[in-house]
Amino acid sequence: EDQVTQSPEALRLQEGESSSLNCSYTVSGLRGLFWYRQDPGKGPEFLFTLYSAGEEKEKERLKATLTKKESFLHITAPKPEDSATYLCAFTGGYQKVTFGTGTKLQVIP
Amino acid sequence: EAQVTQNPRYLITVTGKKLTVTCSQNMNHEYMSWYRQDPGLGLRQIYYSMNVEVTDKGDVPEGYKVSRKEKRNFPLILESPSPNQTSLYFCASSRLTGGAETQYFGPGTRLLVL
Repeated sequence: EDQVTQSPEALRLQEGESSSLNCSYTVSGLRGLFWYRQDPGKGPEFLFTLYSAGEEKEKERLKATLTKKESFLHITAPKPEDSATYLCAFTGGYQKVTFGTGTKLQVIP
Repeated sequence: EAQVTQNPRYLITVTGKKLTVTCSQNMNHEYMSWYRQDPGLGLRQIYYSMNVEVTDKGDVPEGYKVSRKEKRNFPLILESPSPNQTSLYFCASSRLTGGAETQYFGPGTRLLVL
C-alpha cells in the first residue's frame, strides 16, 4: 500500500536556526514527489516537484532533496514568515495523489 | 488570473439534505481532484478526473459523487450528507502530460453537517 510519513509533526525554531523536515514514502512506481506550504484556513501552495533520486531544488531559504525512500525539506536561516504547515505528497500509478499529515513549523523571532 | 474557484466557501446543512460544491478552473487543465482535510488525518483524495467524462475514486469516495461534463468544472455532490462528512474540502487542478504535474488548489469549502 502506498503511504507517506512526515516527521516531526511539529517543529519550533528560533529565527535563523536551520533545520530539516522529513518525508518518508513507500510507493510502487513514484511519478513525482511534491512539497506544499499551507497557511491556516488556506489551500496548499506549491513549492517543489521532484521526480528522481538525487534531484534537488531550491527556492529562497528552502531546499528539497529526494532519495529512493525519503525526501527532505531543508530550511536555512528561517524567518517568522516561514511559519506554516509543510505538506509532502506523491503521485504513484493511476494518477492518485497521497499526502502526508504535514509538519507544523513555527519560527520564533 | 490563473485560479481555481470553489463555491460556497462556507456551508452549514442538515443530515440528508443533498448539496453540491462547485469547482471551476481557468487554466485549461485536464486533471482535477477533490480532497477533504481533517485534523490528524491530513489531505485525503476523494475523487479525481483525468479529463471530461473520465473520473476515478481516490482513497475516501464513500458518500460522494462527482461529474466532469466540461473541462473547467468538477462539482462534488453529497447526495445524503452525514455528520462524518463535516470537513474542509479542497478542489485542485493540474496539467496532465504523462508525468506528475503540480496541482493548484482552490481556497477551500468548510462544510458543517448537523
